[in-house]
Amino acid sequence: EIVLTQSPGTLSLSPGERATLSCRASQSVSSSYLAWYQQKPGQAPRLLIYGASSRATGIPDRFSGSGSGTDFTLTISRLEPEDFAVYYCQQYGSSPPSWTFGQGTKVEIK
Amino acid sequence: QVQLVESGGGVVQPGGSLRLSCAASGFTFSSYGMHWVRQAPGKGLEWVAFIRYDGSNKYYADSVKGRFTISRDNSKNTLYLQMNSLRAEDTAVYYCAKYLVVLYPTGAFDIWGQGTMVTVSS
Repeated sequence: EIVLTQSPGTLSLSPGERATLSCRASQSVSSSYLAWYQQKPGQAPRLLIYGASSRATGIPDRFSGSGSGTDFTLTISRLEPEDFAVYYCQQYGSSPPSWTFGQGTKVEIK
Repeated sequence: QVQLVESGGGVVQPGGSLRLSCAASGFTFSSYGMHWVRQAPGKGLEWVAFIRYDGSNKYYADSVKGRFTISRDNSKNTLYLQMNSLRAEDTAVYYCAKYLVVLYPTGAFDIWGQGTMVTVSS
């Protein structure tokens, strides 16, 4: 089973700053099957990025994803007040089919 | 608009059973695989189960295998999760989620319900 480890656990930044979130897999992950989600308190997760770098419908272009193999990154170019939330990476593995989430990174206001 | 609405959560004793429902609208439900994902209080997300668009294949997390059953009724646009032999560690918000398919399955969940809370306690 592939384990996803996200770092840092908490990121303290100010609005307007750049956020860089890391997701490391215990073994190689197909880029086609790596996704990122945002979750705010009391709300369901929202899909931001799929296929490692494709933005989901309606997601602003300040969100970008990159990476391959075992190392993936979510970048928020300039933090808006509404971006302070918890972010999860997620992967799909086919043998047997299973879906795994990282433990999350909290982006908080500094 | 595209929407998923869960129901059926509540408080149940250890060893008890509960059936969750997820009503879909705004998209062709019968064309998409569907998932259940849960989140224990203050914790991260955990995938629970998946069912193919036609119900022909089902997959489960090891933590629920043999106790939970995912099913769907495409004539009613509804997804279900039958939960038996419930344990304290099953306490969580349970979300249903739609599988994103573009030109290919993406492994991602693009539409989520608001969640329904299940509490297993005596």
